[in-house]
Amino acid sequence: AQTVTQSQPEMSVQEAETVTLSCTYDTSENNYYLFWYKQPPSRQMILVIRQEAYKQQNATENRFSVNFQKAAKSFSLKISDSQLGDTAMYFCAFMKHTGNQFYFGTGTSLTVIP
Amino acid sequence: NAGVTQTPKFQVLKTGQSMTLQCAQDMNHEYMSWYRQDPGMGLRLIHYSVGAGITDQGEVPNGYNVSRSTTEDFPLRLLSAAPSQTSVYFCASSYGLAGAQSSYEQYFGPGTRLTVT
Repeated sequence: AQTVTQSQPEMSVQEAETVTLSCTYDTSENNYYLFWYKQPPSRQMILVIRQEAYKQQNATENRFSVNFQKAAKSFSLKISDSQLGDTAMYFCAFMKHTGNQFYFGTGTSLTVIP
Repeated sequence: NAGVTQTPKFQVLKTGQSMTLQCAQDMNHEYMSWYRQDPGMGLRLIHYSVGAGITDQGEVPNGYNVSRSTTEDFPLRLLSAAPSQTSVYFCASSYGLAGAQSSYEQYFGPGTRLTVT
């Protein structure tokens, strides 16, 4: 079975600063996909960024980037120039290459302080 | 293109009542799934479907039934509601393995907040 661990239940960051959210996972698979989803107070789940395990280059989407360490099974999310709209719950998720099921972490609640 | 829609948005049930949470998608996605979200536990998979006529159990299937008669719809049935089923329920869909390589992400509906008293 796959497990995803987010060890930081809550974090805060000053507006315009940088923050990194941690995620580790456990799998025996070699090919898989990793995702970060954002859930603002509206409750809607929004995809932030995705990473294919076979790609060595870390994914980047504007102010969001990941640090993917395959050997360490680590997938952290870096948010640069934090904005008030980044305040949300962030979930890390794992999907096997051979299946469609997602495995989610328990989430990190991020608060951006003005 | 409405994406993934869920009805109702809120529901209150009494213990023992039954109901169906509706989910529909208009993206021609093969894969659909139901999750429940509880504080401190993230999202847990209840049931999923890889195509019309095919369903399977996820991590927490007890007390729930699903069916997939069409590609678009994937209703979740609570047979006899219990207070332990108080939660926020999300439906999600994706192209899955049948889709383009860049299309593995799941698209989520807005969620249904269910309270069982």
